[in-house]
Amino acid sequence: EVQLVESGGGLVKPGGSLRLSCAASGFTFSSYSMNWVRQAPGKGLEWVSSISSSSSYIYYADSVKGRFTISRDNAKNSLYLQMNSLRAEDTAVYYCARPPGSPRSGMDVWGQGTTVTVSS
Amino acid sequence: NFMLTQPHSVSESPGKTVTISCTRSSGSIASNYVQWYQQRPGSSPTTVIYEDNQRPSGVPDRFSGSIDSSSNSASLTISGLKTEDEADYYCQSYDSSKWVFGGGTKLTVL
Repeated sequence: EVQLVESGGGLVKPGGSLRLSCAASGFTFSSYSMNWVRQAPGKGLEWVSSISSSSSYIYYADSVKGRFTISRDNAKNSLYLQMNSLRAEDTAVYYCARPPGSPRSGMDVWGQGTTVTVSS
Repeated sequence: NFMLTQPHSVSESPGKTVTISCTRSSGSIASNYVQWYQQRPGSSPTTVIYEDNQRPSGVPDRFSGSIDSSSNSASLTISGLKTEDEADYYCQSYDSSKWVFGGGTKLTVL
C-alpha cells in the first residue's frame, strides 16, 4: 500500500523552530519529487515547497522562502521540512504529498497531516 | 503568479447536478492541467479529477471535469448528487515551478 506518514508537529513559540518528517512506503520514493502543502485552521490548501527526486531542484512559496528548508533522504525513504523563525500565521496542518510524475498532474498521494501550532 | 478563484459555497439537492467553477486570473487555463480535490471534514484531500478531465480509479463517473478557454476557467460537475458528496472541493494548477490552489468551495447537499 502506498503510504505517507507525517510526524514532528507540535506547539512552538513564535520565533521557534520545528522539523517535520514524512515517511514514505509502498513505492520507489527515490523516483518521485515530493511536496509539502499546508492548511491553516478553517482555511484552504496552500503549497509550501517541493523537491525533485534527487534534490537537484527545490522551490518554495514566497510566504516561507528564507525560513523553511525542504530536504530528503532517499536511503531512508523520508522527506523533511525544517521550519525556522516560525510565525503565528504558520499555524496549520502540514501534509506531504506526492506528484504522480509530471508536476503538471497534481498530487495523487497525501499523508494524514501533522499539526503545527505557533503560539506563545 | 496567477490565482484560481472559486465560489465560496454551493448547495443542491440529492439527485441533482452541480457545477463548481475555477477561474484563472492570468495566463491561459489551458496552459497547464487542472486538478480537483475533495476534502471531507477531518480528512486529507483526495483527487477526483486530474489532468483537466481524467478520473482516478475508484472515482464514480458522476464526477467530470472540463476547461473553457473562452472564460479561462475549469469546471467540476457532479451529477446524481449524494449526501456523501458533501465536502470541500479545491481546484489546482501549476506554473513556473509553483502549485496553485483555488480557495475552495464548500458543497452542501441538502
